[in-house]
Amino acid sequence: SQTIHQWPATLVQPVGSPLSLECTVEGTSNPNLYWYRQAAGRGLQLLFYSVGIGQISSEVPQNLSASRPQDRQFILSSKKLLLSDSGFYLCAWSVGASGGKLFFGSGTQLSVL
Amino acid sequence: AQSVTQLGSHVSVSEGALVLLRCNYSSSVPPYLFWYVQYPNQGLQLLLKYTSAATLVKGINGFEAEFKKSETSFHLTKPSAHMSDAAEYFCAVSVEGSGNTGKLIFGQGTTLQVKP
Repeated sequence: SQTIHQWPATLVQPVGSPLSLECTVEGTSNPNLYWYRQAAGRGLQLLFYSVGIGQISSEVPQNLSASRPQDRQFILSSKKLLLSDSGFYLCAWSVGASGGKLFFGSGTQLSVL
Repeated sequence: AQSVTQLGSHVSVSEGALVLLRCNYSSSVPPYLFWYVQYPNQGLQLLLKYTSAATLVKGINGFEAEFKKSETSFHLTKPSAHMSDAAEYFCAVSVEGSGNTGKLIFGQGTTLQVKP
């Protein structure tokens, strides 16, 4: 069966520090991968989308970047965190013609202080 | 531009009472519509989805939603609330032109509280 792993679960970082969040998927090949962010009191916003290794689509301009070094690995990064980067980050995957059905990881709560 | 509006950020019901969570959307093409649920400190999981088949969609845990094109609505209902239904619920619409991908626009979420 397919599983998605996302870590760490919580992270507290000072402003200006770097960030690396990792997500891996098991049990499926060539998934579509996504990073969503859920800011406090707001809905989810799609940040990045990837259909394959090295293929990244950025949905909103921001201080973050994403990379997909392997088929089932998706990394969210920042060189210098801002206060506004705080939020709950969710990795998700889907396959092929899934009709929009997403499978989410358990999320990372990022607090930038 | 596409959007999803969930009416009411917090809904409180008594155990056994009807649950009604409202969602309205805007889309210039026939949409795919979804309801996801998020339990505390967890990711989201799919409750149900509408993909242009039957307008009344049944999901997991006794939830169902009805697609009403004339009202651009996709409200979520459950006849009798359980304590375990307490969670945050998100309505979402597929991004126009995104095909069968997971590019979704989410509403702001509705927190459901179930009182004993």
